[in-house]
Amino acid sequence: DIQMTQSPPSLSASVGDRVTITCRASQDISNYLAWLQQKPGKAPKSLIYAASSLQSGVPSRFSGSGSGTDFTLTISSLQPEDFATYYCQQYYRYPLTFGGGTKVEIK
Amino acid sequence: EVQLVESGGVLVQPGGSLRLSCAASGITFSDHYMDWVRQAPGKGLEWVGRSINKANAYTTEYAASVKDRFAISRDESKKSLYLQMNSLKTEDTAVYYCARLISGSNSFDYWGQGTLVTVSS
Repeated sequence: DIQMTQSPPSLSASVGDRVTITCRASQDISNYLAWLQQKPGKAPKSLIYAASSLQSGVPSRFSGSGSGTDFTLTISSLQPEDFATYYCQQYYRYPLTFGGGTKVEIK
Repeated sequence: EVQLVESGGVLVQPGGSLRLSCAASGITFSDHYMDWVRQAPGKGLEWVGRSINKANAYTTEYAASVKDRFAISRDESKKSLYLQMNSLKTEDTAVYYCARLISGSNSFDYWGQGTLVTVSS
């Protein structure tokens, strides 16, 4: 199975901060990488697919980059509604696998 | 508007069986790949399995942890996806989500709200 490793596991940030979350795959997954957001008690929400393509309706402050094994999710200016847990996920090969999550908390 | 609504989650004893449903609306149900993903309490996301679309004869794929115990099926007339869960174990306790995949992308776009399955004696 392809292992997905996210860092950091958690971070504290203030409204308006630029936030970067990284995700590393245990093997080359090309750009078959998605980012998801999950708030407590809620279903995941898909943010980005194909490493850098924004899902419809997702604010432009979210961006993704990377290819191969190393990927990044950036929130350019953190908003109150962005405090959540973020997951990366590969869909290059079965079984689909997820990173362990990064919890973004209010500083 | 796309909506996915899961149901069927309950408390069940180890070794028992359960069928979850996911009712879809606002989509051309037969065109899309549909997955089940679960989340144990306080844990991360785990892929359970997939129903590929009608053009591919609704072929299925499963995670190793559920293969031979779980089965995914669809009813086109009801626009519903199912997860038949047999030989349940305590480690199957989780919120189960159904999710739609973007046509041609194999990436998720829409998720249901989830249904809680608790396996306990």
